[in-house]
Amino acid sequence: GENVEQHPSTLSVQEGDSAVIKCTYSDSASNYFPWYKQELGKGPQLIIDIRSNVGEKKDQRIAVTLNKTAKHFSLHITETQPEDSAVYFCAAKVGGTYKYIFGTGTRLKVLA
Amino acid sequence: EPEVTQTPSHQVTQMGQEVILRCVPISNHLYFYWYRQILGQKVEFLVSFYNNEISEKSEIFDDQFSVERPDGSNFTLKIRSTKLEDSAMYFCASRAEGDGYTFGSGTRLTVV
Repeated sequence: GENVEQHPSTLSVQEGDSAVIKCTYSDSASNYFPWYKQELGKGPQLIIDIRSNVGEKKDQRIAVTLNKTAKHFSLHITETQPEDSAVYFCAAKVGGTYKYIFGTGTRLKVLA
Repeated sequence: EPEVTQTPSHQVTQMGQEVILRCVPISNHLYFYWYRQILGQKVEFLVSFYNNEISEKSEIFDDQFSVERPDGSNFTLKIRSTKLEDSAMYFCASRAEGDGYTFGSGTRLTVV
């Protein structure tokens, strides 16, 4: 069945450093890959997404890269700030549907 | 910014009781979803709903679960006879044509 693997499960970085979270997916028909940030007690919030016809997308301090051949996609956060601390989930849209398969999440801690 | 609203934020129920979780999707959205997240685990797809019918459901979404859009604004998830393992955060999401999801803040269901 469809699966998304996410690494690492926890990540601590010093404020100002970069953070990278990686995901791999199994469904070669997946063509949409959103990233969600979840703060304590809140629902997942879409922070950036990428479609399969694009290799990279950037929005200020956040970027996402996609390697369709290897079925990898990654989230890059530069100049991290304490408010970036949260759980981050990657997801892949199952081909032919609008169902998402989520990764297991990465707890990012930015140390001041 | 438009929001998906979920009520209640926390529900405690006795095992075997019925619960109804309520959601008000964004008004111009056409596609509706329920996901759940068991504590510390990944977000899992339950069901998608479009044009007043279920378009897809997961193996988790058995006969004990049902969804309804009773009045054109609310979208509800009913669990007929709750089990201990139904304890989780339940997230409602909606989307317009072709867009990513917007999630609500979730309902924490605790079955005792």
